[in-house]
Amino acid sequence: DGGITQSPKYLFRKEGQNVTLSCEQNLNHDAMYWYRQDPGQGLRLIYYSQIVNDFQKGDIAEGYSVSREKKESFPLTVTSAQKNPTAFYLCASSMGPASRGPQHFGDGTRLSIL
Amino acid sequence: QQQVKQSPQSLIVQKGGISIINCAYENTAFDYFPWYQQFPGKGPALLIAIRPDVSEKKEGRFTISFNKSAKQFSLHIMDSQPGDSATYFCAASSQTSYDKVIFGPGTSLSVIP
Repeated sequence: DGGITQSPKYLFRKEGQNVTLSCEQNLNHDAMYWYRQDPGQGLRLIYYSQIVNDFQKGDIAEGYSVSREKKESFPLTVTSAQKNPTAFYLCASSMGPASRGPQHFGDGTRLSIL
Repeated sequence: QQQVKQSPQSLIVQKGGISIINCAYENTAFDYFPWYQQFPGKGPALLIAIRPDVSEKKEGRFTISFNKSAKQFSLHIMDSQPGDSATYFCAASSQTSYDKVIFGPGTSLSVIP
């Protein structure tokens, strides 16, 4: 089945630690996205990538970094500079621009502070 | 101007009833309005979407009504079922914001037997 796989499902971060969230897709989509979801708030865009080896900052990129070395993979690193990392992180992909058609989401990674 | 407002924050409906969720926007450049459904512990999934050239779109029990002059759109769930209990997000985007979709804050729907 085609889809988006996020791992791990739960992740705990210690103070001063960087953690990396994995996102893999087998939908052959060019565009990939990372969103942060907090209770009572909509999804907020962290980073997005339209093609391999290229990515752009979203609305809340501070304290996060990404890479796009392969079409299928778009890992997100939550750095120690992100002071409030506790949230539900969602990875998505789309065949074309997200503003024109559906995004396909993974089942998320829940990050908590130890 | 980039915000999408959504109400109510939570909604309780009896089985068989109609669930109505409302959204409003300010940016007149928005021209794609999807609705996403999210179950606990899962990612959102596209439910239905509309473009402003039509005033209504129906897919099964789900209908989007769109009022371009009022800059409002709404989701109607007819014959609501307990399996519809989920969080619903409206969203909006424009052709000029290539990859940016603005999401509303979400509505938690509970359908009780």
